[in-house]
Amino acid sequence: DQQVKQNSPSLSVQEGRISILNCDYTNSMFDYFLWYKKYPAEGPTFLISISSIKDKNEDGRFTVFLNKSAKHLSLHIVPSQPGDSAVYFCAASARNNFNKFYFGSGTKLNVKP
Amino acid sequence: NAGVMQNPRHLVRRRGQEARLRCSPVKGHSHVYWYRQLPEEGLKFMVYLQKENIIDESGMPKERFSAEFPKEGPSILRIQQVVRGDSAAYFCASSPSSGASTDTQYFGPGTRLTVL
Repeated sequence: DQQVKQNSPSLSVQEGRISILNCDYTNSMFDYFLWYKKYPAEGPTFLISISSIKDKNEDGRFTVFLNKSAKHLSLHIVPSQPGDSAVYFCAASARNNFNKFYFGSGTKLNVKP
Repeated sequence: NAGVMQNPRHLVRRRGQEARLRCSPVKGHSHVYWYRQLPEEGLKFMVYLQKENIIDESGMPKERFSAEFPKEGPSILRIQQVVRGDSAAYFCASSPSSGASTDTQYFGPGTRLTVL
């Protein structure tokens, strides 16, 4: 029962262009969403988060959009840089069990110079 | 200002042996989480602990797996009588003591367990 899904295992983008990573969820109780970035042989690094009271959160080149009615969130990276090449995981938690994060399977982003 | 520390980074065990994975949270964090990542998959929640208490172990296999977070010292994830299917990356995360719904979890570098 995969409650958080990232349907694109990989994405390739040219440097300077926009990268859009997508994530869908099924549990309507989820109210806090995060994106993590992971390099090989390292742990996930927190990138950006959004709570369900918002539909957008921006931090520098990274913007997360939340569409609650569609149970969909996306991460936009603009402009993309080669150093952004990594695996990106979305995660969600629910207000009745907020310490338990549910992760998607990840999207491997490759930013080509 | 050390982050989450995990050791060992790599652990090789033969079937039937015990594996002990250690996690030291960020200084001042009293909430610890363990996740497992199988190849080509996302992280799966295993257990959530506070000092001396297991809060949620709904993701832990019923047998052979146990976790603790003593008053002093690191959190330990223990796997008894390991099998090949236990081979995975095990990540520990910690969060601040406030336990607010928007607390971010900060991850360690992981322990890669290989069972021969």
